[in-house]
Amino acid sequence: DAGITQSPRYKITETGRQVTLMCHQTWSHSYMFWYRQDLGHGLRLIYYSAAADITDKGEVPDGYVVSRSKTENFPLTLESATRSQTSVYFCASSAGSGSTQYFGPGTRLTVL
Amino acid sequence: AQTVTQSQPEMSVQEAETVTLSCTYDTSESNYYLFWYKQPPSRQMILVIRQEAYKQQNATENRFSVNFQKAAKSFSLKISDSQLGDTAMYFCAFMIGRDDKIIFGKGTRLHILP
Repeated sequence: DAGITQSPRYKITETGRQVTLMCHQTWSHSYMFWYRQDLGHGLRLIYYSAAADITDKGEVPDGYVVSRSKTENFPLTLESATRSQTSVYFCASSAGSGSTQYFGPGTRLTVL
Repeated sequence: AQTVTQSQPEMSVQEAETVTLSCTYDTSESNYYLFWYKQPPSRQMILVIRQEAYKQQNATENRFSVNFQKAAKSFSLKISDSQLGDTAMYFCAFMIGRDDKIIFGKGTRLHILP
């Protein structure tokens, strides 16, 4: 039972490069979410998706792009990485309607 | 807009003691859910406990219980018989029932001392 996985777990990139973080869940949850965690800010929602082909912005969407062509996958792309996007990124999924969100293990991204 | 406030950035208690973590929230919604998540040094986010706002009874999970005061918009977490493995960052979180988006507090770092 894999649950929810993220890849890569660690990534170092340079300013201006494109980076894609992957998220995969095996529960067939309809909802998926991307958060970033920064010291002093807790977790902040970047984007979320209520179903395949339905996505919406969260609190801090600037500089990020998402897609959801399949229910189980929800990739997050940084089109032109900036140092301010150095963070730990968490993916989560839920069945919706107030259900608990379950989190992946996180990806630590460093932008040099 | 909804907000979640954790007023204790860091706490330390001795093993086997009881500790209470505070959380207050602000909302005009009537249908919502509250959560406590634990984040140990491994970084994994782990659900500790969940409370539906329409339920008056406080949620309990083994050594973890909450004191949900709806009128006061308070949702504190009590950890009884604390263990070294409880050392972690604890996040209080709020979800509106109609959109499933979670708002997190900034966290309380809890140290359990041997």
